[in-house]
Amino acid sequence: RKEVEQDPGPFNVPEGATVAFNCTYSNSASQSFFWYRQDCRKEPKLLMSVYSSGNEDGRFTAQLNRASQYISLLIRDSKLSDSATYLCVVVPTGANNLFFGTGTRLTVIP
Amino acid sequence: DTEVTQTPKHLVMGMTNKKSLKCEQHMGHRAMYWYKQKAKKPPELMFVYSYEKLSINESVPSRFSPECPNSSLLNLHLHALQPEDSALYLCASSQGPTGATNEKLFFGSGTQLSVL
Repeated sequence: RKEVEQDPGPFNVPEGATVAFNCTYSNSASQSFFWYRQDCRKEPKLLMSVYSSGNEDGRFTAQLNRASQYISLLIRDSKLSDSATYLCVVVPTGANNLFFGTGTRLTVIP
Repeated sequence: DTEVTQTPKHLVMGMTNKKSLKCEQHMGHRAMYWYKQKAKKPPELMFVYSYEKLSINESVPSRFSPECPNSSLLNLHLHALQPEDSALYLCASSQGPTGATNEKLFFGSGTQLSVL
């Protein structure tokens, strides 16, 4: 079983829509969680960390469900500029590596 | 300065060539990483340096040779590569070693490598 599983999409949504991505992880001892955004032929950039209590940054909301071992990213009022691949990242406790999901491709359509 | 700088941005090399990729950060980060990324795939970890010492080698072929001359610099020496090694090579850094709470990775813009 993979450390991190993520729906690759693609998700094609109209401007202004709300879209959510989930990412499941297999190691219950995982301690740190992140969402990264990667544009085509560019490097991944940190979008936001995911905290136990959930956290929000403008139109973006990240949540963690430890019982079901998944993290989610909600994007409200989608913009054309949100089109990218969104990668979830999980760091197990005591690990010296972090694990990437396969990425979810989002295209926001005018 | 919150940048990780990688050079060159693009590299084309033959299978008999020797080349090097370079990475630099001035954020005082003590962990540096090399990742390989194929199209439509997530980054795959190759090497991790922690406090200038190699701490992880993910069974990478010896035709890839990392070097960490000091805490700000990371090199990847390439020799006798194969066409299947063509990929985006990403350098990253973090304040401390991965595994510490909430360590975020900062990536360079990558080197797009083509092996002919």
